[in-house]
Amino acid sequence: QSMLTQPPSVSGAPGQRVTISCTGSISNIAAGFDVHWYQQRPGTAPKLLIYGNNRRPSGVPDRFSGSKSATSASLAITGLLAEDEADYYCQSYDSNLTASVVFGGGTKLTVL
Amino acid sequence: QLQLKESGPGLVKASETLSLTCSVSGGSISTSSYYWGWIRQPPGKGLEWIGNINYSGRTYYSSSLKSRVTISVDTSKTHFSLKLTSVSAADTAVYFCARGLFSSGWYFEHWGQGQLVTVSS
Repeated sequence: QSMLTQPPSVSGAPGQRVTISCTGSISNIAAGFDVHWYQQRPGTAPKLLIYGNNRRPSGVPDRFSGSKSATSASLAITGLLAEDEADYYCQSYDSNLTASVVFGGGTKLTVL
Repeated sequence: QLQLKESGPGLVKASETLSLTCSVSGGSISTSSYYWGWIRQPPGKGLEWIGNINYSGRTYYSSSLKSRVTISVDTSKTHFSLKLTSVSAADTAVYFCARGLFSSGWYFEHWGQGQLVTVSS
């Protein structure tokens, strides 16, 4: 069971905006630790999409943006493209003994 | 251009030890800013962090795997390794190595392509 909760799936039509939520707890997001996001296309390695809650690595389009509130974070994708169809994972740091790095369970984005 | 590449047996028998190596090229393991990690993904499932190591050999492990995991850095500083003992079918997964940074927690900016390891009975 993931310590970070994501919806299993979201969908949107080309050109639309979708958001993916990531809900944490007092030992991770609510403790103030940063949230990071990864995109994973089928059969490939995850790719860092957002780090430090809202920063984009070089080469990531500004269609992707991240935000964070008290106990949750969100990834927004605007101007959906067919190539955005992938699994998306949030990740944070957890201060409990069970793990230091925690991932969400992943969200499958389907572009209709 | 940094490249990470996992290598090792793709099939391991239950109760034995899984051993993987991550070869690093285009960058140095000795850089103090970075951490080097292992993450796995069972078929059709999500990502699970295994552990990290820094340039000096300090390790950080997932507490759920800590009793069975060893991550080490080669003295030549060109690769780092993962050993997971007493494996079972639950350890069947794609194993990724990655380079991480620490800023209010770790995140992983470069990933290897992944290595599928199947545990057979």
